[in-house]
Amino acid sequence: DAGVIQSPRHEVTEMGQEVTLRCKPISGHNSLFWYRQTMMRGLELLIYFNNNVPIDDSGMPEDRFSAKMPNASFSTLKIQPSEPRDSAVYFCASSSLGAGARSSYNEQFFGPGTRLTVL
Amino acid sequence: AQSVAQPEDQVNVAEGNPLTVKCTYSVSGNPYLFWYVQYPNRGLQFLLKYITGDNLVKGSYGFEAEFNKSQTSFHLKKPSALVSDSALYFCAVETDKLIFGTGTRLQVFP
Repeated sequence: DAGVIQSPRHEVTEMGQEVTLRCKPISGHNSLFWYRQTMMRGLELLIYFNNNVPIDDSGMPEDRFSAKMPNASFSTLKIQPSEPRDSAVYFCASSSLGAGARSSYNEQFFGPGTRLTVL
Repeated sequence: AQSVAQPEDQVNVAEGNPLTVKCTYSVSGNPYLFWYVQYPNRGLQFLLKYITGDNLVKGSYGFEAEFNKSQTSFHLKKPSALVSDSALYFCAVETDKLIFGTGTRLQVFP
C-alpha cells in the first residue's frame, strides 16, 4: 500500500499566485481530511469529506481557500490568490468511516505533507 | 468550546527510564481521545485512542494512555523509553470536531 500521496512535496510561489495542492487517499478509504500546520497555530483541520461530499469546512480560513473531491481517489486544495501568511505545511489524511460515525472514529492516515512557501 | 492542552513544550528523559507526556482536555459530552506522533518531515502517525470501555488504552510501540474522567486527563506513558521514541507527540480530542494540542517534543537521551 502506497499510503496517502501528496504532491507537490514543496511549493514556493509568489504572493498573488494560485496554488493547487493534490492528494490521493488510500484506496478504499471514504473520508479525506485537509490540515494545515504552522508554528503559531499548530495543526488545524481545514475541511473534511465523507464519500466525496464536504461535511465540515468551518476550518477553511477564508474565501481564498477552496477544496474539491471530484472522485474517491483525488482531492485538491486551492489557494487563490496566495498570501505570505498561507505559508505552512499542508497535510492530507484519509480514513474509513462507517455511516454516522464521528470523523475521528477510525485511525487517520496522514500523507507526508506539502511545504508551501509564499514569498 | 472544546479544547485540549499539552502543558509541556518539551520532555527530556534518559533511555530506559519511564516517560510521561501530559494531556488535559475540556469538552462537553463524551470525548474521543487520541495520541499521534510526528517524526521529522513526516505526517502524523496514529498511536492509540480512547473511545469507551477500559480506561487504560494500549497502543503502538509499547505506548499506553490512561483516560481519567475526574481529572480530564489522557496522559501518554511508556515504561522504558527508547532513543527512537524521540519525536513530536500530539494529543487530540473530538466531540463534534477533531482538535489537536500544540504538541510536546519528546527527547530521549542515550
